[in-house]
Amino acid sequence: DAGVTQSPTHLIKTRGQQVTLRCSPKSGHDTVSWYQQALGQGPQFIFQYYEEEERQRGNFPDRFSGHQFPNYSSELNVNALLLGDSALYLCASSLVTGVETQYFGPGTRLLVL
Amino acid sequence: AQSVTQLDSHVSVSEGTPVLLRCNYSSSYSPSLFWYVQHPNKGLQLLLKYTSAATLVKGINGFEAEFKKSETSFHLTKPSAHMSDAAEYFCVVILAGGTSYGKLTFGQGTILTVHP
Repeated sequence: DAGVTQSPTHLIKTRGQQVTLRCSPKSGHDTVSWYQQALGQGPQFIFQYYEEEERQRGNFPDRFSGHQFPNYSSELNVNALLLGDSALYLCASSLVTGVETQYFGPGTRLLVL
Repeated sequence: AQSVTQLDSHVSVSEGTPVLLRCNYSSSYSPSLFWYVQHPNKGLQLLLKYTSAATLVKGINGFEAEFKKSETSFHLTKPSAHMSDAAEYFCVVILAGGTSYGKLTFGQGTILTVHP
């Protein structure tokens, strides 16, 4: 049984560019959450998707947007990249929204130059 | 609002000695609490979870944590450290209600170093 997978593993972009990160949830899970982990810090919640809709959002600007597909996979899009967007982006999946355990993928490391 | 405070940014122990990683939380609703571990350049792995059942929770790899509501604490312990335990540990809270429903809030992390 495959766990949460993310692609790509690493990415280098320049300021002002746009990036799309992808996540496939654990088999049977229907909820996907995205987190940003800056170097030396704990992950920060970006948003959560359930039934193809954004259900919760953290304190991130509108440059951060997402999508969930009918097969429950998800994308995170970041527009107008800033140097401060350099971080490890983690995707987590769970069975339902709420207090169910979230299982994390290996992350995508984004470097903005 | 909910928050998590990990009281030590770094903890260093010798192999075979006990491990104690401290975590305090605050929340307006009944929380569920987790400990996750992150090895270098890896994703987060769930160690254990508290969801208002038994206050002493046993996890993987010999770790356990005790939920103390009166102290708003959820400290992680292990009787005997192993070299493979060296990693960063995160205490995490999630609320069962309110505007933060379903959102994980992470502590700043504690880096555990294990010396031979």
